[in-house]
Amino acid sequence: KAGVTQTPRYLIKTRGQQVTLSCSPISGHRSVSWYQQTPGQGLQFLFEYFSETQRNKGNFPGRFSGRQFSNSRSEMNVSTLELGDSALYLCASSLAAVRETQYFGPGTRLLVL
Amino acid sequence: DQQVKQNSPSLSVQEGRISILNCDYTNSMFDYFLWYKKYPAEGPTFLISISSIKDKNEDGRFTVFLNKSAKHLSLHIVPSQPGDSAVYFCAANTGNQFYFGTGTSLTVIP
Repeated sequence: KAGVTQTPRYLIKTRGQQVTLSCSPISGHRSVSWYQQTPGQGLQFLFEYFSETQRNKGNFPGRFSGRQFSNSRSEMNVSTLELGDSALYLCASSLAAVRETQYFGPGTRLLVL
Repeated sequence: DQQVKQNSPSLSVQEGRISILNCDYTNSMFDYFLWYKKYPAEGPTFLISISSIKDKNEDGRFTVFLNKSAKHLSLHIVPSQPGDSAVYFCAANTGNQFYFGTGTSLTVIP
């Protein structure tokens, strides 16, 4: 069974631009969560989608948004990019429940100049 | 506010010896805990989990211990192997989301 895939793997943007990241979960998984990883901060939870609905949300500004499609694929959008948004963005999928083990993709490394 | 803390950023251990990675948490509502391993340029890989109704869970060379009164979690790797060299994250769940620690970089010296 194929794992979680994320595209693109690397991205360079400038301040003020917007960016869209994509995540395809493991086949059959309906829950998709997004995390931001920065040095010294660990993984910070952004949001979780289940059945095309945002089920949980972390403590990030409204510039960070997401959506999930009927095939469970998910996208994350960051508008008006700031230098501090430079990070590794990780997507994780699980079957359904939030408490289940999550399986991570390789991440998208975003650099904001 | 960091609800899950890994106070040791790095750890070095000789091959064949025991590696002990520690994790402390502050939220008593956490009821499910996991450990992940992460290699550079890859996403975290699930290692082992434990529910709050248990105090120990084993899987091969990996054992996780949970001390709820101390709000402390530890991962024991015995024996340690060079391939175990990676960053290890602990994570805790309340039922709404996972909270991750900042990671401990383990180096196993051959």
